[in-house]
Amino acid sequence: DTAVSQTPKYLVTQMGNDKSIKCEQNLGHDTMYWYKQDSKKFLKIMFSYNNKELIINETVPNRFSPKSPDKAHLNLHINSLELGDSAVYFCATSSSGEDTGELFFGEGSRLTVL
Amino acid sequence: AQKITQTQPGMFVQEKEAVTLDCTYDTSDQSYGLFWYKQPSSGEMIFLIYQGSYDEQNATEGRYSLNFQKARKSANLVISASQLGDSAMYFCAMREGLRGGGNKLTFGTGTQLKVEL
Repeated sequence: DTAVSQTPKYLVTQMGNDKSIKCEQNLGHDTMYWYKQDSKKFLKIMFSYNNKELIINETVPNRFSPKSPDKAHLNLHINSLELGDSAVYFCATSSSGEDTGELFFGEGSRLTVL
Repeated sequence: AQKITQTQPGMFVQEKEAVTLDCTYDTSDQSYGLFWYKQPSSGEMIFLIYQGSYDEQNATEGRYSLNFQKARKSANLVISASQLGDSAMYFCAMREGLRGGGNKLTFGTGTQLKVEL
């Protein structure tokens, strides 16, 4: 079983469309994140949920809306897609009880907006 | 605000040689953690090594070691006996704890390492 799984892995869509990326974890971690990696490979945090509560909401357009239906799932919905949204989106998890705070990453979802 | 700086966009190393990837950080927190992650061309993020701010010994994990110099605010990654499979992007990251639980990792811009025969 993949510890942190994201679907879809690849997504090609037209500008203006709405799309969602889903993330599921089976590690029992209480915190989940969305990171965006741009074309220059820069990784930037977007959102984080701890026990289904939003705790990090970086400066992200409000076209992006995260939702955590339960502790094991964190979804990312993007409205009115723009060319600049093309990126790899990584889901990650961590455990508050873990000393290091290591992030466990999913395989990434590559979004291409045409 | 925390900041991570990786000044080497790209590095080359001969197979079997050692290489050091630089990372400096800036924080006003007393308690923090430093990480290195590897991202091969296949895209996944692989955790390599962790150093806590209160750890007195430098962290080591197999061929990876972290040269932690707290006064200089540096956390360089040393890879010994480089292998072709070490060719990848390497990210330094710093953790800050958040009120209410959870952690936030801030990443540097990365160093692309290429191991040559």
